[in-house]
Amino acid sequence: AQSVTQLGSHVSVSEGALVLLRCNYSSSVPPYLFWYVQYPNQGLQLLLKYTSAATLVKGINGFEAEFKKSETSFHLTKPSAHMSDAAEYFCAVSESKGRRALTFGSGTRLQVQP
Amino acid sequence: EAGVVQSPRYKIIEKKQPVAFWCNPISGHNTLYWYLQNLGQGPELLIRYENEEAVDDSQLPKDRFSAERLKGVDSTLKIQPAELGDSAVYLCASSLSFSGGEQFFGPGTRLTVL
Repeated sequence: AQSVTQLGSHVSVSEGALVLLRCNYSSSVPPYLFWYVQYPNQGLQLLLKYTSAATLVKGINGFEAEFKKSETSFHLTKPSAHMSDAAEYFCAVSESKGRRALTFGSGTRLQVQP
Repeated sequence: EAGVVQSPRYKIIEKKQPVAFWCNPISGHNTLYWYLQNLGQGPELLIRYENEEAVDDSQLPKDRFSAERLKGVDSTLKIQPAELGDSAVYLCASSLSFSGGEQFFGPGTRLTVL
């Protein structure tokens, strides 16, 4: 079985400040990990993914995430927030073998204050 | 390249009525997914197709939900009869193959059951 926990359903930062969105996972086999972003009334868009290559993954729009096996974490960061980053962010895990279905966290809504 | 197309975008029906959602995946994508997204939650997989075969439908409530992908391209998800608790966003996604890679999401259909 696999699961994802996103700490903090709402995060608010000032424009230009560091963005840190937390994600912890559990998986019985080596995982694949993903971050998706969802803007209002739109579908999900992939930001970045980890599939057992480099542990520091760089994505679109300046986001990156680091896979830490010892901490079972895959936190999303961005050095400087922009107003356009305001959205809902979802962490997801997929087992690297077997059923391999995506399991999503409950999401974190990011607000960016001017 | 056109993205995943879903229609309708919004649907309001009364309980006990039937409803159908349509999805056209990205051209060439063999794998198609239907997800359910409740308010404030991450998407949950309902069914996955590999070409025209439903290979993972363990989360689909088969008493009232059905889906088809007859020619291995577009797909229809049906609810009959709809219940109040079915109010949610129904997302369709597609991918080249089921390999842990990127899933591309459509904008979703927001269903309201009165």
